Amino acid sequence: AQKVTQAQTEISVVEKEDVTLDCVYETRDTTYYLFWYKQPPSGELVFLIRRNSFDEQNEISGRYSWNFQKSTSSFNFTITASQVVDSAVYFCALSDPGTDSWGKLQFGAGTQVVVTP
Amino acid sequence: DGGITQSPKYLFRKEGQNVTLSCEQNLNHDAMYWYRQDPGQGLRLIYYSQIVNDFQKGDIAEGYSVSREKKESFPLTVTSAQKNPTAFYLCASSMEGPPTGELFFGEGSRLTVL
Repeated sequence: AQKVTQAQTEISVVEKEDVTLDCVYETRDTTYYLFWYKQPPSGELVFLIRRNSFDEQNEISGRYSWNFQKSTSSFNFTITASQVVDSAVYFCALSDPGTDSWGKLQFGAGTQVVVTP
Repeated sequence: DGGITQSPKYLFRKEGQNVTLSCEQNLNHDAMYWYRQDPGQGLRLIYYSQIVNDFQKGDIAEGYSVSREKKESFPLTVTSAQKNPTAFYLCASSMEGPPTGELFFGEGSRLTVL
């Protein structure tokens, strides 16, 4: 069975500090996809990144960066020089596109990030 | 603008009543999904639909029903059989088949049972 663990319930930082969100996943499959979504106070989730299990390159997009390590089953997310607009709930998610799991994106419990000026 | 529209945003229901949440998309996506979000928990899949006139149960389908008569629409009915319906409901769609791609979400509907 798939499982995604986001151990940090809430992280509070002061603007311009860096913040790292942890994500640990479990799956028996060799092919899988990992995602990060952001949920601002408005409610809708916004896609941030997708990574497949065969691509372990780290990625950077502006102030966002992701560290994927298969050896530790982790897909951590770092926001550099945080801003107030980064305040949101961030979800890590896992999908296995096998027949029995079609449509089933397994979400972690989410991490609330609070950035204060 | 393209996107997903959910309505109503807030809904109050008395126990024993059925309620239908609307979800409309103009992204021309084949796949649509309904998720439930409870405080401090991740999203849980209720139902999903790969194409028109076809839908499948997710992890927590009991007490819910859906229909997919049009590509653009995927309404969710919360029936009186749902034991604990108070929650935040999110509709989503995707262009690609299995969820290997980006999901687009609506702004959600918050249901409160009085």
